[in-house]
Amino acid sequence: EDQVTQSPEALRLQEGESSSLNCSYTVSGLRGLFWYRQDPGKGPEFLFTLYSAGEEKEKERLKATLTKKESFLHITAPKPEDSATYLCAVQAAKSGNTPLVFGKGTRLSVIA
Amino acid sequence: EPEVTQTPSHQVTQMGQEVILRCVPISNHLYFYWYRQILGQKVEFLVSFYNNEISEKSEIFDDQFSVERPDGSNFTLKIRSTKLEDSAMYFCASSPGTGNQPQHFGDGTRLSIL
Repeated sequence: EDQVTQSPEALRLQEGESSSLNCSYTVSGLRGLFWYRQDPGKGPEFLFTLYSAGEEKEKERLKATLTKKESFLHITAPKPEDSATYLCAVQAAKSGNTPLVFGKGTRLSVIA
Repeated sequence: EPEVTQTPSHQVTQMGQEVILRCVPISNHLYFYWYRQILGQKVEFLVSFYNNEISEKSEIFDDQFSVERPDGSNFTLKIRSTKLEDSAMYFCASSPGTGNQPQHFGDGTRLSIL
């Protein structure tokens, strides 16, 4: 069974205090690993797709990396507007439009 | 930027009643999905839809659920006889194709069963 575990469940940072969020996964052949941002009362907003171990993607203060067992979302010098829940999801390499399997997310609070 | 839109944003229904949740996917997307998120829990897959038929469904998607694409733009999820445990946020998503193209989500319908 495909599984995603995210840690920590919640993280509180001071503005400018860099940190990393972890996503551990088991999947029967990885098609892609996805990071989403979710604000309260909103749907998941797509951030990154990672396809293979060693790959990195960057967007503003966020950088996502991937190994064969886990992914990290590094947040550099965060600002209060980065406060959100960050979701990790995997898609298995099967035929067709296979569904995403999500973790519970990390709730990030950045304090000014 | 094109987006997935869902209506209504909040639906309150008596247990046993039928509800229809509506979605307008991104216009050039071909694959459509429904997910749900019970408060405090993970986003869970319900069903995927392509070429006017169900591609895959989860154990949650039992005989009480159905999906339909009634015209060229709308995609609906129907729950025939709602239960208390159906209370959740329901998200529609769409993607341009298969492979590892990302799924784009709407802002959801909050379904409250009384």
